Amino acid sequence: QQPVQSPQAVILREGEDAVINCSSSKALYSVHWYRQKHGEAPVFLMILLKGGEQKGHDKISASFNEKKQQSSLYLTASQLSYSGTYFCGTEIEDNNDMRFGAGTRLTVKP
Amino acid sequence: DAEITQSPRHKITETGRQVTLACHQTWNHNNMFWYRQDLGHGLRLIHYSYGVQDTNKGEVSDGYSVSRSNTEDLPLTLESAASSQTSVYFCASSMFGELFFGEGSRLTVL
Repeated sequence: QQPVQSPQAVILREGEDAVINCSSSKALYSVHWYRQKHGEAPVFLMILLKGGEQKGHDKISASFNEKKQQSSLYLTASQLSYSGTYFCGTEIEDNNDMRFGAGTRLTVKP
Repeated sequence: DAEITQSPRHKITETGRQVTLACHQTWNHNNMFWYRQDLGHGLRLIHYSYGVQDTNKGEVSDGYSVSRSNTEDLPLTLESAASSQTSVYFCASSMFGELFFGEGSRLTVL
């Protein structure tokens, strides 16, 4: 039931864009995105509910394709502060039983 | 400010010993969760609770137990610690789908 994330790692220069993908073998109720800095707790970025909505704040946005059971996180004009490990979490029902992917390690270099 | 705290933050124990990790939140959230984080596996759900006296098994519950006697606390007990349980443990609570994580407890079983 654990979602699959890709890529496992990505290295960027400041100002470059990145896309992180999350896919599930089961129909999804929601997809969540979290970012974790080294040695810290994961921090909530956004939640997407089934219906194909796209969300975003600042230069980080995400989409959810319910039919394909996939979500993508878009980071545009990356900043040094975007470095960290990004996790997608998925729910197959509205029951808060959330499972996380293995994570994507993003490194932004000057 | 409302918060979620874990204790101890670091613990070293021996194989076979019983260990309890504490989790306390002051948001009055009904939903609470325990995850373990290991390299390459991301966050894996151990147990979760939707309210007082409610507990549910997650994907890696063997060797762990929880109890929920009040809204604020969800202690995680390892009945007989094993080296495979060496990990970083995160407690979380949620409201409207967003997970709020504690700072983590690093457990080493020798």
